[in-house]
Amino acid sequence: DAGVIQSPRHEVTEMGQEVTLRCKPISGHNSLFWYRQTMMRGLELLIYFNNNVPIDDSGMPEDRFSAKMPNASFSTLKIQPSEPRDSAVYFCASSLAGLAGGKNIQYFGAGTRLSVL
Amino acid sequence: AQKITQTQPGMFVQEKEAVTLDCTYDTSDPSYGLFWYKQPSSGEMIFLIYQGSYDQQNATEGRYSLNFQKARKSANLVISASQLGDSAMYFCAMYRGNNDMRFGAGTRLTVKP
Repeated sequence: DAGVIQSPRHEVTEMGQEVTLRCKPISGHNSLFWYRQTMMRGLELLIYFNNNVPIDDSGMPEDRFSAKMPNASFSTLKIQPSEPRDSAVYFCASSLAGLAGGKNIQYFGAGTRLSVL
Repeated sequence: AQKITQTQPGMFVQEKEAVTLDCTYDTSDPSYGLFWYKQPSSGEMIFLIYQGSYDQQNATEGRYSLNFQKARKSANLVISASQLGDSAMYFCAMYRGNNDMRFGAGTRLTVKP
């Protein structure tokens, strides 16, 4: 079975440029999450979707960040314009929400390492 | 505040020995889930083991077991018979419902030959 697929694996861009990160969740999963990982702040939840609908975007750092999920098999995280402080590893994860007992296992993609110069 | 604490930034263990990675959590919710993830140097996050707050038995998955002490709010990961490939960052996480998952700061485990 294919896991969560993220692209690109690495992205190097210059400050001010638009960056789009892509994610394909595991087929059948109904929740999708975007995380950012940095040395200073660890893993931070940016936004999550349930049944393609954004539920909580309180973790999105500012208006430069936006996320969409046009269908159950695809999501994007866009940064426009990008800044050096956005450099981090961005993870997408998916899960099958609603299971009893809190067994809401999130399966992660391999991540996108973003470097903004 | 709901939070996860991993007090060991780094741990060393000799190959073939067992090691315990500590995790404490703080929540007032009666229903929650506890997870451990492994992040090797390649960067991916790999799910290892899950423990539900109502589970009576400690979870086990192969060489991984979770020492769940509910009254002490601890969920330590025990890795038996350590292997060189176990060297990685390990993250404890807590799920409280409504897709609210919080991660600890992680523990870097190094297995020595």
